[in-house]
Amino acid sequence: LAKTTQPISMDSYEGQEVNITCSHNNIATNDYITWYQQFPSQGPRFIIQGYKTKVTNEVASLFIPADRKSSTLSLPRVSLSDTAVYYCLVGDKGGGFKTIFGAGTRLFVKA
Amino acid sequence: EAGVVQSPRYKIIEKKQPVAFWCNPISGHNTLYWYLQNLGQGPELLIRYENEEAVDDSQLPKDRFSAERLKGVDSTLKIQPAELGDSAVYLCASSGRTSGRSPQGNEQFFGPGTRLTVL
Repeated sequence: LAKTTQPISMDSYEGQEVNITCSHNNIATNDYITWYQQFPSQGPRFIIQGYKTKVTNEVASLFIPADRKSSTLSLPRVSLSDTAVYYCLVGDKGGGFKTIFGAGTRLFVKA
Repeated sequence: EAGVVQSPRYKIIEKKQPVAFWCNPISGHNTLYWYLQNLGQGPELLIRYENEEAVDDSQLPKDRFSAERLKGVDSTLKIQPAELGDSAVYLCASSGRTSGRSPQGNEQFFGPGTRLTVL
């Protein structure tokens, strides 16, 4: 299983773009990269998933370089409500798919 | 569409007592997960079901924990007897074959969790 490493915490201000980078040096060929967001007293919520290059949805963008050994979650113009824990996961949907969340990155958005 | 339902939301018990948590996944989702989350840490997978079959229970402490999903729909996670170290949030999640916005079709939808306190 590919292990992921992310910063423990980050601070930002409202309106700024936030980039959270995740390292996954041992990512396997079939692995996808998935990000979840978790607010206090709630379960995690899916944000975005990708395999290579760039993926964008209404919430975030995910940048994955060619070697796929890292990925960056980009949150455009954050607001106070984006204060949460963000988890990077790497895994394959095949028969042995496992979900390992790690400790995540605590993002704190200030006014 | 209703989300993943869990009950109870909170449970306080004394050590050595039994406790059970219930989860009703999103309708049509064949995969069900139980996680444990300690304060300040990410969720840890306890068991994953594909329909009624437990396909990954390698992280489930089988001496005191058990789970079932008899008809492939709702599920129960039990601890007997509970220990002080079992105090945590127990999360249930589900996913379907073409689940959500994930290109892999494996977006997990989580319930609100059950917060267990063992005294």
